[in-house]
Amino acid sequence: DAGVTQSPTHLIKTRGQQVTLRCSPKSGHDTVSWYQQALGQGPQFIFQYYEEEERQRGNFPDRFSGHQFPNYSSELNVNALLLGDSALYLCASSPGVFNSPLHFGNGTRLTVT
Amino acid sequence: SQQGEEDPQALSIQEGENATMNCSYKTSINNLQWYRQNSGRGLVHLILIRSNEREKHSGRLRVTLDTSKKSSSLLITASRAADTASYFCATGQTNTGNQFYFGTGTSLTVIP
Repeated sequence: DAGVTQSPTHLIKTRGQQVTLRCSPKSGHDTVSWYQQALGQGPQFIFQYYEEEERQRGNFPDRFSGHQFPNYSSELNVNALLLGDSALYLCASSPGVFNSPLHFGNGTRLTVT
Repeated sequence: SQQGEEDPQALSIQEGENATMNCSYKTSINNLQWYRQNSGRGLVHLILIRSNEREKHSGRLRVTLDTSKKSSSLLITASRAADTASYFCATGQTNTGNQFYFGTGTSLTVIP
């Protein structure tokens, strides 16, 4: 039973570019959340997708957008990259939207130069 | 801003000793969870305690919750070198779905 898978594992981009990160949830999970984790910090909630719609959003600018597909997989898009966007981006899946434990992927390490 | 704050920020103990880390939070919660993260990898869920529970056990883990003090503690008994990791508390609030607020974490080092 595959857990949460994320791709790519590492990515280097230049300021101003755009990036797309991908996530496949754990089998049986229909809800996907994205978190940003800066070095030495805890994960910060970006947004959550359920039934192909954004259900909750954290305090992130509109440069951060996402999508969920009918097979529950998800993408995180970040436009106009800033140096401060350098972080580990974590995808987490759960069965449903209410207070279920999160299953995390190993993340995508994004470096913006 | 992050909801929870773990204390201490770093903890170093000998194998076999117990490790205790604390989490304080700011607002009313529905549940509180503890996660472990090994050196920049994904987080692993350890235990969930609901707001109407005071204590919960899972193997070598014991979690307590005091909603009046808005605090929780995680005790790892008989620690092992493999327990070396960062530990985060995450709070789930009413009406926010699965939007969890993570603390800054406690870095635990268990010396063999």
